[in-house]
Amino acid sequence: DQQVKQNSPSLSVQEGRISILNCDYTNSMFDYFLWYKKYPAEGPTFLISISSIKDKNEDGRFTVFLNKSAKHLSLHIVPSQPGDSAVYFCAASEETSGSRLTFGEGTQLTVNP
Amino acid sequence: DTGVSQNPRHKITKRGQNVTFRCDPISEHNRLYWYRQTLGQGPEFLTYFQNEAQLEKSRLLSDRFSAERPKGSFSTLEIQRTEQGDSAMYLCASSLEAGARYTFGSGTRLTVV
Repeated sequence: DQQVKQNSPSLSVQEGRISILNCDYTNSMFDYFLWYKKYPAEGPTFLISISSIKDKNEDGRFTVFLNKSAKHLSLHIVPSQPGDSAVYFCAASEETSGSRLTFGEGTQLTVNP
Repeated sequence: DTGVSQNPRHKITKRGQNVTFRCDPISEHNRLYWYRQTLGQGPEFLTYFQNEAQLEKSRLLSDRFSAERPKGSFSTLEIQRTEQGDSAMYLCASSLEAGARYTFGSGTRLTVV
């Protein structure tokens, strides 16, 4: 039962262009969503989050959009930089879970110079 | 603040042996989590502690797995009678009491041969 899905295992973009990573979820109880970035041989690093009461959150080059009716969120990175190349995980939690996160499978982003 | 520290970084063991991993969280964080990540998948929740209390365990945590956090500081995860299916990256994370913005450690990679 995969409650959080990232359907694209990989994405390749040119430096300076926009990267869009997508995530779908099935559990309507999820009310907090996060994106983590992971480099090889390191643990995931928190990137940006959004509460279900919002539909957009922005932090510098990173913007997360939430469409609750579609149970879909996306991460936009603009402009993309080679240092953004990493695996990106979408994660979700529900208020009653004690902050337990449910992760998607991850998307490998490659930004080409 | 030295981040979340996990030891060892790598462990190779023979099937049937017991292994123990250690996690030292960020000192002021009172929540500590264990996750497991296999190739091509996102991290999967195993268990979490608030201070020394183990508040939730996943059904993934079979009877062969046990976790402790005896003084509410570091934690250990023990796997008894290891099986090849236990081969994975074991990630520890910590957070402040509220919210789900974890800080992850670099993980312990277990290989059961």
